[in-house]
Amino acid sequence: ELKVEQNPLFLSMQEGKNYTIYCNYSTTSDRLYWYRQDPGKSLESLFVLLSNGAVKQEGRLMASLDTKARLSTLHITAAVHDLSATYFCAVDGFYGGATNKLIFGTGTLLAVQP
Amino acid sequence: GAGVSQSPSNKVTEKGKDVELRCDPISGHTALYWYRQSLGQGLEFLIYFQGNSAPDKSGLPSDRFSAERTGGSVSTLTIQRTQQEDSAVYLCASSLVGQGPSGNTIYFGEGSWLTVV
Repeated sequence: ELKVEQNPLFLSMQEGKNYTIYCNYSTTSDRLYWYRQDPGKSLESLFVLLSNGAVKQEGRLMASLDTKARLSTLHITAAVHDLSATYFCAVDGFYGGATNKLIFGTGTLLAVQP
Repeated sequence: GAGVSQSPSNKVTEKGKDVELRCDPISGHTALYWYRQSLGQGLEFLIYFQGNSAPDKSGLPSDRFSAERTGGSVSTLTIQRTQQEDSAVYLCASSLVGQGPSGNTIYFGEGSWLTVV
């Protein structure tokens, strides 16, 4: 059974600092997704990572995927308050294809303090 | 709005009543999903539709839950004889499927907030 773990669960950081959120998954998969959720809102797609070594960047966020280590990271550079939200990683539950049945991590609540 | 549309946005119902939640996916998206988000369980997969058929119903928590999709578009999630533990946000999502190696972004709706009292 595919399990997805994120850490940390909660991250309080100061504006201007850098930090990384980690996402580990238990079985082979070649599709990993990062989402952002603001309080009371739905999930906003940030990145789709499809292959080993994939790296994508948007603004202050950069995501990478290491399928051999079954690890994805979401790196935050020079955090700003607007990045405060909950971040989820999700893994497609089927290897070699795409069911798009996503198994989500527990989420990381990010609070950026001025 | 070209996004995934869900209704109602909020629903308060009495224990034992039936509820129907509706999802209107993005036009042209053949895949449709239902997820549930609750404090205790996080984000849980419920069911996946490809067209009108549901190849994966593995996440439905009990036989009180059912879903259908008609015309390859709108889907309805029905919960019969609601229980307090059914209280959660029910999220619908849609995506293109079979689009090659580019990957399929899955777009989520705003959710239906269900409270069973």
